[in-house]
Parts: sequence; structure tokens; C-alpha cells
Amino acid sequence: GQQLNQSPQSMFIQEGEDVSMNCTSSSIFNTWLWYKQDPGEGPVLLIALYKAGELTSNGRLTAQFGITRKDSFLNISASIPSDVGIYFCAGSRQKLVFGQGTRLTINP
Amino acid sequence: NAGVTQTPKFQVLKTGQSMTLQCAQDMNHNSMYWYRQDPGMGLRLIYYSASEGTTDKGEVPNGYNVSRLNKREFSLRLESAAPSQTSVYFCASSEGQGRSTDTQYFGPGTRLTVL
Repeated sequence: GQQLNQSPQSMFIQEGEDVSMNCTSSSIFNTWLWYKQDPGEGPVLLIALYKAGELTSNGRLTAQFGITRKDSFLNISASIPSDVGIYFCAGSRQKLVFGQGTRLTINP
Repeated sequence: NAGVTQTPKFQVLKTGQSMTLQCAQDMNHNSMYWYRQDPGMGLRLIYYSASEGTTDKGEVPNGYNVSRLNKREFSLRLESAAPSQTSVYFCASSEGQGRSTDTQYFGPGTRLTVL
């Protein structure tokens, strides 16, 4: 099946630091989505990207749809403790394909 | 508005037992999905239903069956559970008819262990 490579797999940062993670694929996608999953919960949509080159913000979160349509990036600025969780990218052509997730841990 | 609800939250089965995972959504969405989540694998699509009365296989359908009972409900059945089906199962729904631009909303998950 289609594969998404998400990196890094885990991050350990200090509160207040900025965070960057990305997803790459060998396939082109029409839509890129970024989800966050808290422990014991289902994924919650953070940002949706619909056009190549699109840059979209949601508060301290900024995501970009790569110009080649094969990658996407998520940045979190000035991290806070509630940012802890697992972040998933997902690409969509007919169906959603998920990355393996980036586990974010924040030291206060 | 409860969104997407799933029952049960936890389940332990013995190999060979059967069970049905229930999912319901109150957002009047047309499409519903079942995923499984395994460590380090992200979420993988098992089955989906683009509209009431239709179901289609996803990436990992073997060992599962589904029923779109009505517009609100989409159940996942394991006829003869195997240890390889130990996983967390998520149901999701979206407004459209399975279009790639649809936003999917997820339930809280069912944690299944097969001994």
C-alpha cells in the first residue's frame, strides 16, 4: 500500500521551544491533513491543506502543503505542556493514508 | 452533539471468539470508516462505507466484516478473533461520500486484546 514517512518518530523538548516535523511520500496526494492524538483518545484534526504550496496556520500551529504534493510540514511555535501527544500526518487521494506518528514530550 | 461514539471501550477475547464493535455518529454524515492502530504503524483502513447501503474494503480487511446498519451506525465484526487482531480500533465519519477532501472525525477508540 501507499506509505508515508513521518519524522522524527519522537521529540523531547523544553517548554517554549519551537517544533518541526514532516511527512514525505513517493506518491502525490490531493490533500494533506495533520491530526493530534491524546492518550486514550481518537485523533483530532488540527489543520487541513488542499492546494500545493498552501501555508495554513491555526494559532501556534503552521502547516505547509509541499509544492511537489509529496510532502508536508507542521511547525509548532512556543510549545506549551498541552502540546504533548502524538501528531499524525495523513495524505489523501481516494482514501486517507497515515504516517507513523511523531510523539512529542515536553519538559517543563 | 456526541460526535462519534464507540462501544465497548475495552475488550478481551480468547482466540476463536467472535464479537462486534459498535460505532454511531450523530452528525448526519454520509461516510463512515473503521481503522486499526498498531504501535509504530499509524492508522490503517479496514473497511469504509461511502454512503448508506454500501461498504468497501480498505487496506487490511482480512478477518473482518462490516455492516452499515443505517446512516448513523457502522459495525465491525470479528468472526474468529486471532492474536494478530490485538489493536486499538477507531471509527470515523465524514460529511461527503468518501471524497479525498472530506474531513474525518474520529471516535475515542476500542482497545481490543486477543489472548
